[in-house]
Amino acid sequence: ETGVTQSPTHLIKTRGQQVTLRCSSQSGHNTVSWYQQALGQGPQFIFQYYREEENGRGNFPPRFSGLQFPNYSSELNVNALELDDSALYLCASSLQGVFNYGYTFGSGTRLTVV
Amino acid sequence: GNSVTQMEGPVTLSEEAFLTINCTYTATGYPSLFWYVQYPGEGLQLLLKATKADDKGSNKGFEATYRKETTSFHLEKGSVQVSDSAVYFCALSPPNNNDMRFGAGTRLTVKP
Repeated sequence: ETGVTQSPTHLIKTRGQQVTLRCSSQSGHNTVSWYQQALGQGPQFIFQYYREEENGRGNFPPRFSGLQFPNYSSELNVNALELDDSALYLCASSLQGVFNYGYTFGSGTRLTVV
Repeated sequence: GNSVTQMEGPVTLSEEAFLTINCTYTATGYPSLFWYVQYPGEGLQLLLKATKADDKGSNKGFEATYRKETTSFHLEKGSVQVSDSAVYFCALSPPNNNDMRFGAGTRLTVKP
């Protein structure tokens, strides 16, 4: 059973640029959630994708967008990067409707905006 | 809305000391409750969970009991080890599973 894999592991971007982060879900999982974890803080929910559609969204602006593909992998896109977007971005996969099993997390992508 | 409040850290203990990290929650309905652990440079790993009132989750010597009357899910371990040094997150998942909420995290350092 493969776990959740994220790429790249580290990324440096300039303010105003766009970035795409990628996530492959754990085998057997059909739902992907994205979180932003600023330094020293808990993960903040960005959005969740199920059946290739957004299935819930946290308090993040529209410049944060996502996709889910038929193989359940997912992308997080952030446009017009701001310095405050610097954070660890975590992807988590789960099985929809089985909420009591928890999420499986990837190791994250560390994004630095300069 | 749903939220989790956990004990602020950092917490520093000597090896073999008793650990308690407090966690309380606010939620509608009957959420599932979790503790996750994050080691430096890594993602979150599920430590234990409880899905209904009075359930006790346990793993690797850690325990937490789902207390609906006090809306709490405190993490305990009878004897901590240096290898337990990490950041611990309390979390809840509502029945619809589309928004798992995390606490701010508690950093634990265990000294030999």
